[in-house]
Amino acid sequence: AQSVAQPEDQVNVAEGNPLTVKCTYSVSGNPYLFWYVQYPNRGLQFLLKYITGDNLVKGSYGFEAEFNKSQTSFHLKKPSALVSDSALYFCAVSQPRWNNAGNMLTFGGGTRLMVKP
Amino acid sequence: NAGVMQNPRHLVRRRGQEARLRCSPMKGHSHVYWYRQLPEEGLKFMVYLQKENIIDESGMPKERFSAEFPKEGPSILRIQQVVRGDSAAYFCASSPSDRASYEQYFGPGTRLTVT
Repeated sequence: AQSVAQPEDQVNVAEGNPLTVKCTYSVSGNPYLFWYVQYPNRGLQFLLKYITGDNLVKGSYGFEAEFNKSQTSFHLKKPSALVSDSALYFCAVSQPRWNNAGNMLTFGGGTRLMVKP
Repeated sequence: NAGVMQNPRHLVRRRGQEARLRCSPMKGHSHVYWYRQLPEEGLKFMVYLQKENIIDESGMPKERFSAEFPKEGPSILRIQQVVRGDSAAYFCASSPSDRASYEQYFGPGTRLTVT
């Protein structure tokens, strides 16, 4: 069974400072990893994904994430935080299925990012 | 191009009533997923459907819950005889492919409150 852990319920950072939101995963094979962001009373918006290739993945709104296979981590980062980045962030994992039978995402519990002016 | 649409956005039901949640996927997407989000928790997979077929319902409760995605019209998640524990946000997502490498596009959700 696959699982995702986001060890921090909340991350506080000052505007202009770098931010990191942590994610670790557990799967039996090669993972596909995703980050989504959720604003209040909205659905999830896709930020970025790692499928294969370069371990550093760049996504929307200046976010990036680094895949580390040995540490089974996929931390989300941004060099300079904005107040508008304040939201709930979810890490998710899936795996290729032998019969391409869909993409069931397993989500972490979410991390609330608070960026203060 | 309109995104994933869900209605109603908010639904209040009394215990024992039925709840029907609708989802229209993005244009060109024929793969639909339903997830449930309990307060202060992450999303949990419920069911994956293609047109007229349920592909994976491993996350669906065995009783009272059902889902369909007819040839015409939106996907429907039906909850019969609702109980307070069914109160949650229900999100629909769609994808253009059944491959696991494709991201999913989420709707705004339906917030179900059972009184």
